Amino acid sequence: SAVISQKPSRDICQRGTSLTIQCQVDSQVTMMFWYRQQPGQSLTLIATANQGSEATYESGFVIDKFPISRPNLTFSTLTVSNMSPEDSSIYLCSVAAPGTGELFFGEGSRLTVL
Amino acid sequence: GNSVTQMEGPVTLSEEAFLTINCTYTATGYPSLFWYVQYPGEGLQLLLKATKADDKGSNKGFEATYRKETTSFHLEKGSVQVSDSAVYFCALKRGGSEKLVFGKGTKLTVNP
Repeated sequence: SAVISQKPSRDICQRGTSLTIQCQVDSQVTMMFWYRQQPGQSLTLIATANQGSEATYESGFVIDKFPISRPNLTFSTLTVSNMSPEDSSIYLCSVAAPGTGELFFGEGSRLTVL
Repeated sequence: GNSVTQMEGPVTLSEEAFLTINCTYTATGYPSLFWYVQYPGEGLQLLLKATKADDKGSNKGFEATYRKETTSFHLEKGSVQVSDSAVYFCALKRGGSEKLVFGKGTKLTVNP
C-alpha cells in the first residue's frame, strides 16, 4: 500500500489568487494523478504527472491554469492559478502502486474560493 | 466515450438492512471495474474490483459481479452496519490505461 499526505487539507482563498497543493507519498512511485471533485460531481482527472517529464493534461484542463511539478518519485504539487469561485472543489492526489497498479488516494484538499 | 452512472443518493438504511447501489457503465473494449469507498474524513480506498466478465469482487461483506450483458457492477451487502456509512464510488479503467473514470458517488448512512 501507499500512504499519501496532502497539504493543505482545506483552505479558503480569495478570487484571483493562486494556491499550491502538495502531495507526499511514503514510497517511490512512477505515476501520480491529480483529480478534482466539484460539489455534487464525480471525480475528474486533471492530469497525470510522471517524474522527469511534463505532465499530461486531460481535455478541458491546461497547464497555465493548473501547473504541476514532479521533482522526484515521492512528491508532486498542483497549483490552482488565478482562482475563481468555480474552482471551489476537492483536489485529490493519487498514485499507482508498482506491480499491482492499484490506485491509492490522499484525503484531498478542499478549496473554497470567495 | 467511457462513463459510469451510479444510483443517486443519499441512501439511508437501518442496521442489518440489505444494501444495493446500482452502477452501470459505458466503455469501449473490456474495462476493469471498481468500487471505492470514502469514509468520513478519509481518502478514497479501494473496496473491491473485477477485471473480466462474470468476475465477482468481494470485501468486508460487500460483493459486486461484473455483468457484461447488462454493463452493470451493482454493489450489494446483505446486512449493513453503522460503520458502513460512507460515500461509495463506482469506477472503470480501460485496459492499458491507469486512468479511472468515476461515477458521482452515493452517500450511504446507516442508522442504529
